[in-house]
Amino acid sequence: GENVEQHPSTLSVQEGDSAVIKCTYSDSASNYFPWYKQELGKRPQLIIDIRSNVGEKKDQRIAVTLNKTAKHFSLHITETQPEDSAVYFCAASIGGSQGNLIFGKGTKLSVKP
Amino acid sequence: NAGVTQTPKFQVLKTGQSMTLQCAQDMNHNSMYWYRQDPGMGLRLIYYSASEGTTDKGEVPNGYNVSRLNKREFSLRLESAAPSQTSVYFCASAAGEYNEQFFGPGTRLTVL
Repeated sequence: GENVEQHPSTLSVQEGDSAVIKCTYSDSASNYFPWYKQELGKRPQLIIDIRSNVGEKKDQRIAVTLNKTAKHFSLHITETQPEDSAVYFCAASIGGSQGNLIFGKGTKLSVKP
Repeated sequence: NAGVTQTPKFQVLKTGQSMTLQCAQDMNHNSMYWYRQDPGMGLRLIYYSASEGTTDKGEVPNGYNVSRLNKREFSLRLESAAPSQTSVYFCASAAGEYNEQFFGPGTRLTVL
């Protein structure tokens, strides 16, 4: 079946450093790639997404890049802050834009003050 | 708008008991989903409903049933709970060209 691989599973950085999380997907028809942030005990929240007609998207300190040829996409967080500490999930649509999402297994990001 | 709401927030069941998890959304979304989240496993789709009156199996449907009661409500039923169903259950709804999904607060279920 289709899958999404996410790396690393844990990531620890110093406050102010950058963090990068990478995902690869298997479905060639995937064209929607959201990222979710989940704080401890809370619901996943959509923080940024990218569509297949765009190579990069930025929103303040977070950015996402997409390489459709290689079937991978990445989340970049710059100038990390302690409140960025959370679990981050990538996802990819299955079978096109209206398809269900398949999620990566998550990356636990810890930002040390 | 309350967004996506779920009840209950916590539940403890004994093996073999049944229960229904409730989900409602007030965003007029067509699509609704039920996921389970287990440590190290991410979010796995149990069932989904692309529109009122339709439901389909996801990745892990065994042991569950769903009902799309109307456009707002989508319930998940465990007929005979098993310890393997101990998990956090999230409901989500979606709309838009790319079906952007928004999650409810979750139900933490323990089956003893």
